[in-house]
Amino acid sequence: QQQVKQSPQSLIVQKGGISIINCAYENTAFDYFPWYQQFPGKGPALLIAIRPDVSEKKEGRFTISFNKSAKQFSLHIMDSQPGDSATYFCAASKAGTASKLTFGTGTRLQVTL
Amino acid sequence: GAGVSQSPSNKVTEKGKDVELRCDPISGHTALYWYRQSLGQGLEFLIYFQGNSAPDKSGLPSDRFSAERTGGSVSTLTIQRTQQEDSAVYLCASSSPGGETQYFGPGTRLLVL
Repeated sequence: QQQVKQSPQSLIVQKGGISIINCAYENTAFDYFPWYQQFPGKGPALLIAIRPDVSEKKEGRFTISFNKSAKQFSLHIMDSQPGDSATYFCAASKAGTASKLTFGTGTRLQVTL
Repeated sequence: GAGVSQSPSNKVTEKGKDVELRCDPISGHTALYWYRQSLGQGLEFLIYFQGNSAPDKSGLPSDRFSAERTGGSVSTLTIQRTQQEDSAVYLCASSSPGGETQYFGPGTRLLVL
C-alpha cells in the first residue's frame, strides 16, 4: 500500500517558469511533511518542510501548499533555474521526533534554458 | 562539520555472497535510519535505531537482512545470501536528539550479479 502518492513522475520546465509537484497521503496520523531534493549520486537533502497547522510555507523560491481536508500537499518552485534540475521527493511522518519517513516515488525535474 | 558518511560507495557482489554496509552518522545524532532506494522507486524504510537499540525493524524485507549499531554511533547493515533483487542504493540518515530533520549520507550502491 503506497501511503504517499506523488505526481508527476517527470517534469520539464523552462527557465524562469514555475515547477509544481503534487503529493497525496492516506494516513491521517501523518503530521510532518518534508520535501527532499536529490542530485545524481548524492543522498537526499531537506529542502523545506511543513506541519498541518499552516496552509502554506515559503522559503525563498520554494513554497509548500498544504490542504489538510484533501490530504494533499504540493511544492512550487518559482523562477525555476537549471540548477534546480534534480529529483524531488515528498515525504510524511507521524507525530514525534525520530519517526520514520514514508516517501513518494519522486519527480525528476529538468529545467531547460 | 562532517555529514553522514557511508562505505563503501559502491559494491558489486555475486549472488549468494554476504555484504556489509557501513554508516557513520553525524556526531551526537542519536537516531539513525536505513532506507533502500531501488531504480525508479522512492525511498523505502528499513530500520531505525535510537542509540544502540532498534525499536522499529518493520521495513527489513526478509531475515537475510540485519543491522546493528554500536557505541551509539556506527551502524552496519548486513545482507546475507544476496539476491539480484537486493540491488539498490542503501541510504543511511541520522537526526539529532529531539530533531525532525533527517540528514542523509551519499548511499552505497549495491549491485548483485
